[in-house]
Amino acid sequence: QLQLQESGSGLVKPSQTLSLTCAVSGGSISSGGYSWSWIRQPPGKGLEWIGYIYHSGNTYYNPSLKSRVTISVDRSKNQFSLNLSSVTAADTAVYYCARVTSSGSYSNWFDSWGQGTLVTVSS
Amino acid sequence: SYELTQPPSVSVSPGQTASITCSGDKLGDKYVSWYQQKPGQSPVLVIYDDTKRPSGIPERFSGSNSGNTATLTISGTQAMDEADFYCQAWGSSAEVFGTGTKVTVL
Repeated sequence: QLQLQESGSGLVKPSQTLSLTCAVSGGSISSGGYSWSWIRQPPGKGLEWIGYIYHSGNTYYNPSLKSRVTISVDRSKNQFSLNLSSVTAADTAVYYCARVTSSGSYSNWFDSWGQGTLVTVSS
Repeated sequence: SYELTQPPSVSVSPGQTASITCSGDKLGDKYVSWYQQKPGQSPVLVIYDDTKRPSGIPERFSGSNSGNTATLTISGTQAMDEADFYCQAWGSSAEVFGTGTKVTVL
């Protein structure tokens, strides 16, 4: 059974870079043609999509975060990562990694999720 | 930017039917997924491609999508269905989640 596990710093200072890793187990990150994604949820609020890394290695980011986001993959470690630069208190959230399945260019769904990790931005 | 609007809350009696709507411009032309999130847990996919249920999701969960509104229906609602529900679709340039609906089973 596929499992995803987020890890990284739980406390980041304002203006610094948030860095998280999602370790994938129970399956290869390179098989099945799947894409991978990061999604966040501020405390008590709704979900916000951050971006994709496609099976090809190409990336696509939410335009609202595009200037600050980098998603990368390390296939040798079966994991993918998120960097979010110049963080502010507004970036405080639970960050989830997820597997993406698609049936077409504009039909994507998140079928496996990590447990989430809370990142707090504070000095 | 594209927006998906859901009612903040829906209340339902055990055994009855709950309907959760998700509204967006020409939403019927898009593919909609739905997620259930219980307190302190990660979201779980319950419907994808408007009407399809992942394996392991009970048959009481069903979806539809037409015009400007997608609907998640829970038939024979059980106490365990109490949760927040979110719709999701591709907007003009990003994946978009709905505002979320809290389903309370009274």
